[in-house]
Amino acid sequence: RKEVEQDPGPFNVPEGATVAFNCTYSNSASQSFFWYRQDCRKEPKLLMSVYSSGNEDGRFTAQLNRASQYISLLIRDSKLSDSATYLCVVDTGRRALTFGSGTRLQVQP
Amino acid sequence: DTAVSQTPKYLVTQMGNDKSIKCEQNLGHDTMYWYKQDSKKFLKIMFSYNNKELIINETVPNRFSPKSPDKAHLNLHINSLELGDSAVYFCASSQAASGRWEQYFGPGTRLTVT
Repeated sequence: RKEVEQDPGPFNVPEGATVAFNCTYSNSASQSFFWYRQDCRKEPKLLMSVYSSGNEDGRFTAQLNRASQYISLLIRDSKLSDSATYLCVVDTGRRALTFGSGTRLQVQP
Repeated sequence: DTAVSQTPKYLVTQMGNDKSIKCEQNLGHDTMYWYKQDSKKFLKIMFSYNNKELIINETVPNRFSPKSPDKAHLNLHINSLELGDSAVYFCASSQAASGRWEQYFGPGTRLTVT
């Protein structure tokens, strides 16, 4: 089983839509969780950390379910500029992070 | 005032050559990393240094040798380059001492071995 699993997509959605991505992780000892965004031919950039209570940053909401080892990202009112690959990231417990292979989002006009 | 910088941005070289990639961070972080992103876009950690000490060394051929002259720099030297080394190499940094694991990435070095 992969350490971090994501649906690769692509998710093709119209502008203004709400879209949700899910991710599962295998290491029950993981304590830190993040969503990163990677644009084509660019570096990954931190989008948001994911906290146990769930957290929101503008149009983005992240949720963590430790019992099911599941993380989600919800994007409301999608913009064209949201088109990118979204990486689910989990700490390994060895002072390192494991990156999922990413979910590609394409927002269409 | 780039936070994490890498040089060069592009590197095209022939099989068998030796090359180096340099990384610098001005965030005051104590930990730096090298990642490899292959053609399938999978981002995989190679090495990690904390305060100039090697703490992670994944299953990487020993043709790859990292070197950290100080906390702000982490270089990667690759000997006897092979076709399979073609990839994008990202440097990253974090402030592990604070217990926060967010990593900040450099722009990447696109290595092509011909």
